[in-house]
Amino acid sequence: TQLLEQSPQFLSIQEGENLTVYCNSSSVFSSLQWYRQEPGEGPVLLVTVVTGGEVKKLKRLTFQFGDARKDSSLHITAAQPGDTGLYLCAGGRSNTGNQFYFGTGTSLTVIP
Amino acid sequence: DTGVSQNPRHKITKRGQNVTFRCDPISEHNRLYWYRQTLGQGPEFLTYFQNEAQLEKSRLLSDRFSAERPKGSFSTLEIQRTEQGDSAMYLCASSLGMSSYNSPLHFGNGTRLTVT
Repeated sequence: TQLLEQSPQFLSIQEGENLTVYCNSSSVFSSLQWYRQEPGEGPVLLVTVVTGGEVKKLKRLTFQFGDARKDSSLHITAAQPGDTGLYLCAGGRSNTGNQFYFGTGTSLTVIP
Repeated sequence: DTGVSQNPRHKITKRGQNVTFRCDPISEHNRLYWYRQTLGQGPEFLTYFQNEAQLEKSRLLSDRFSAERPKGSFSTLEIQRTEQGDSAMYLCASSLGMSSYNSPLHFGNGTRLTVT
């Protein structure tokens, strides 16, 4: 059972377009992390958000944590081929020990 | 900081054989995690160590799976009597800090297991 559902599962867009990836759950999380993974490599952390309603920007990437800390979104402006990869959200819960729950993943392809 | 190292990178084995994977975390990290990932999906939690103590195990970790971290440094994951359903990428991650729920996970590049 996946606690975190991501949508869309697959996304193929042209270079320069904007996109949003969603990460939703019915559970509350103490923190939400976003990772990007390239083929044959492990996930690499992009950002951590911990406060409901928090917005963080990383160059062309904007991350938002929902007010109720049950959902998050990742918005990419003017996508580039280098943004291609598997985007993963991961929720951390302080009352369940130390495991992170990963989302189902969004595979993004940016076509030059 | 040389990052998290996993060996081997690839392992092909026949059904019924035993396999062992090794993970060397970032040296000062006290937490070590094992995850399993199938193609295009998110990683699934298997088990977690704080120093040498194995504190959590997923129900996915059947009795054929065992993990150790004997000196609180490197860790091994052994799968006995492998089955074709065990084919996956096995990822190791480490982290540091008292507040584990917002400490970043540093992943290795994984061991890809293929059971024929």
